[in-house]
Amino acid sequence: EVQLVQSGAEVKKPGESLRISCKGSGYSFNNYWIGWVRQMPGKGLEWMGIIYPGDSDTRYSPSFQGQVTISADKSISAAYLQWDTLKASDTALYYCARRAANPGRFDYWGQGTLVTVSS
Amino acid sequence: QSVLTQPPSASQTPGQRVTISCSGSSSSIGSNSVNWYQQLPGTAPKLLIYNNNQRPSGVPDRFSGSKSGTSASLAISGLQSEDEAAYYCAAWDDSLNGPLFGGGTKLTVL
Repeated sequence: EVQLVQSGAEVKKPGESLRISCKGSGYSFNNYWIGWVRQMPGKGLEWMGIIYPGDSDTRYSPSFQGQVTISADKSISAAYLQWDTLKASDTALYYCARRAANPGRFDYWGQGTLVTVSS
Repeated sequence: QSVLTQPPSASQTPGQRVTISCSGSSSSIGSNSVNWYQQLPGTAPKLLIYNNNQRPSGVPDRFSGSKSGTSASLAISGLQSEDEAAYYCAAWDDSLNGPLFGGGTKLTVL
């Protein structure tokens, strides 16, 4: 069974750094792109970026380029989303999702990680 | 600006049929297939329709999708209370060089 399990909720202060994780199982993790999607409170889904764990090829949405860093450790089937300097506006639910063969389709999703940034 | 436009809300009574529209552009829906996601309250999105009109295993045939030109639609027939959710269309966008999501439609089963 394909599973993506994300790290738990985080509460941080503005200016702090953070890395959240997404661990895949039940499939060949290295061979599927993993994307990150943001959902701000009460809002819709926004694509942030995507990584191919096999060679760490990474693409970012222009809206998120320079704001976050996406990485992966294929030895432990994990992908990461990282912030160096959090802002209150980063408060949101963050999902990782496996991209299917069709580049526009995400066929499996993690359960989401709630990030709250507040002073 | 790359945008997929959906109505913010829709409602219908149980047993009836409802359709949700999704309007894009030549660089998104006009050139690529459309996927639909269902997000039940408090849960992660789930793939509902892919490649315009294909259902993943386990999705009831009450759900159907279609595409014409730069628009797409999701239809739900025999509406049930458990269908109350947010529905998002999505498509690859050649200008963005990434997937684009619609703003979502919150479906209320009256």
